[in-house]
Amino acid sequence: KQEVTQIPAALSVPEGENLVLNCSFTDSAIYNLQWFRQDPGKGLTSLLLIQSSQREQTSGRLNASLDKSSGRSTLYIAASQPGDSATYLCAASGYSTLTFGKGTMLLVSP
Amino acid sequence: EAGVAQSPRYKIIEKRQSVAFWCNPISGHATLYWYQQILGQGPKLLIQFQNNGVVDDSQLPKDRFSAERLKGVDSTLKIQPAKLEDSAVYLCASSSIRQGMEAFFGQGTRLTVV
Repeated sequence: KQEVTQIPAALSVPEGENLVLNCSFTDSAIYNLQWFRQDPGKGLTSLLLIQSSQREQTSGRLNASLDKSSGRSTLYIAASQPGDSATYLCAASGYSTLTFGKGTMLLVSP
Repeated sequence: EAGVAQSPRYKIIEKRQSVAFWCNPISGHATLYWYQQILGQGPKLLIQFQNNGVVDDSQLPKDRFSAERLKGVDSTLKIQPAKLEDSAVYLCASSSIRQGMEAFFGQGTRLTVV
């Protein structure tokens, strides 16, 4: 059974800092890994999708990497802004299911 | 392309009552998921459909929860009778092999059981 862990559980940084969110998974036989953003009271917004054959994906100030052999993914946020404040979730997709971590709650202060 | 639609957005019921949630996935997406997200936790898979067949329902409390996906399109999730611990956000998502199994989520239904 796939297990996904996210570290840290919460993070508070001043505006402008570069930061890294970590995600680890126990079963390396994944189809893809997806990063989501969730604002309070809202659904999940897909940020980046990394297929199992890829090493990284970039979108604007976001960069996600994937190391299947070690069971790790990282989400890098450059030049953080107060609008980045949200909960960030990673999810590992096997061939039959999608398993989530508990998320990292990010607060970026002005 | 329209996103995943869910209704209602909010629901408040008393314990032991029944409730139903509806989901309309993105057109052409064969895979549909229902997740339960309790405040402060990550989403937990309740049931996954591939077209109108069940792929995984191992974490669905089958004594009170049921779900169906008729004709491989829309889906409903029902709780009967509801308990206080069922208070959560119920999320529906869909994905397609043609889009690399990227999961797209609806806005969710916030259920409060009092």
